[in-house]
Amino acid sequence: EFVLTQSPATLSLSPGERATLSCRASQNLGSFLAWYQQKPGQAPRLLIYGASNRATGIPARFSGSGSGTDFTLTISSLEPEDFAVYYCQRRGSWPVTFGQGTKVEIK
Amino acid sequence: QVQLVESGGGVVQPGGSLRLSCAASGFNFNVFGMHWVRQAPGRGLEWVAVIGHDGNSIYYAESVKGRFTISRDNSKNTLYLQLNSLRAEDTAMYFCARDFNIGWVDYWGQGTLVTVSS
Repeated sequence: EFVLTQSPATLSLSPGERATLSCRASQNLGSFLAWYQQKPGQAPRLLIYGASNRATGIPARFSGSGSGTDFTLTISSLEPEDFAVYYCQRRGSWPVTFGQGTKVEIK
Repeated sequence: QVQLVESGGGVVQPGGSLRLSCAASGFNFNVFGMHWVRQAPGRGLEWVAVIGHDGNSIYYAESVKGRFTISRDNSKNTLYLQLNSLRAEDTAMYFCARDFNIGWVDYWGQGTLVTVSS
């Protein structure tokens, strides 16, 4: 069974700080990984696809890196609107799989 | 602009059925695959099903296989999800979503809530 493991579960940071979120795959994904942001009461929003490509309209402070089994989402300087839950997701075969999420909360 | 509007959610008893709909607008519906993704209260995202642009490729999560049916009507720009034999663990917000690059999602609806309870 394919698994995506996100860490940490919760990240407590202050505005202006750098956030580093991890997503580890149980099998080699190449670059078939995306990141989403979800705020309370809202639908998710695509941030990054292909491990490192920003989706349309996503600010440059969001960046993705990694390949194979280890991936990272970095928010270079947290803005107040960035406090949310972040999910990684793989494509490439069915079923699609999401990680369990990392909550970025205000410290 | 791309809009996806879900409807059809509600409260249903265990073992019951519901049909969810998703009205799409602002893009050529008949050239995009479409997904259903759900989220139980306070939990993470769970992919449910996908259907190809012409309805000929369909895949399901193991948790819903044999109970849920995804379909589409390209003449009406509408996606459907038939939910049968519902269980308490199917309680969730159900999101309709547009496929991007065969597996990712670039647009989401706001969701419709399904509650399975006696």
